[in-house]
Amino acid sequence: NAGVTQTPKFQVLKTGQSMTLQCAQDMNHEYMSWYRQDPGMGLRLIHYSVGAGITDQGEVPNGYNVSRSTTEDFPLRLLSAAPSQTSVYFCASSYSANYYNSPLHFGNGTRLTVT
Amino acid sequence: AQKITQTQPGMFVQEKEAVTLDCTYDTSDPSYGLFWYKQPSSGEMIFLIYQGSYDQQNATEGRYSLNFQKARKSANLVISASQLGDSAMYFCAMREGAGYGGSQGNLIFGKGTKLSVKP
Repeated sequence: NAGVTQTPKFQVLKTGQSMTLQCAQDMNHEYMSWYRQDPGMGLRLIHYSVGAGITDQGEVPNGYNVSRSTTEDFPLRLLSAAPSQTSVYFCASSYSANYYNSPLHFGNGTRLTVT
Repeated sequence: AQKITQTQPGMFVQEKEAVTLDCTYDTSDPSYGLFWYKQPSSGEMIFLIYQGSYDQQNATEGRYSLNFQKARKSANLVISASQLGDSAMYFCAMREGAGYGGSQGNLIFGKGTKLSVKP
């Protein structure tokens, strides 16, 4: 009963380093997304995907890349980490973007600190 | 323009009392869904309750109910008989129908309300 799995749970990076946050879901969901959560800001959408091979930018995409080569996986890449990217990152999925009544299922989050 | 507004950054409630968390939204899409999520101090996002724009009745899930006033564009969460375990951040979110007005069917969140339950 895995649902949405995110790794790692915690990560510390130095400015300028790159890394990939992993996200996998086993529910055969078409729609996947990445959010970042900062104090007082709620959750803001970084990138999303409506199916394998299709990705698009959300509200705060700068400094991040995504790809969706399979239905199950949706990794988030930080190209050159900056202190402003210190945040908690959530991956989430749902059955389809076409169904406004389907809730997002969230991973447990990754707490990233950039020094 | 902010699509989801939660005007209460923090609230206190006495254990066993009811509490209402406010949420207003803005959309011109006739088809949309409203969601509430709970985030305890452990950090995970827990889906609580859903209300569809065409639903005639207010949604209920156990001690949670959604006071949906469509004309006022409000979707307030009511927690009855508060428990200490209800202390958490609560987020209201909206999902519009994909394709309407450029919407991609993404979930848009408010900034949240921190609820503290006092013993």
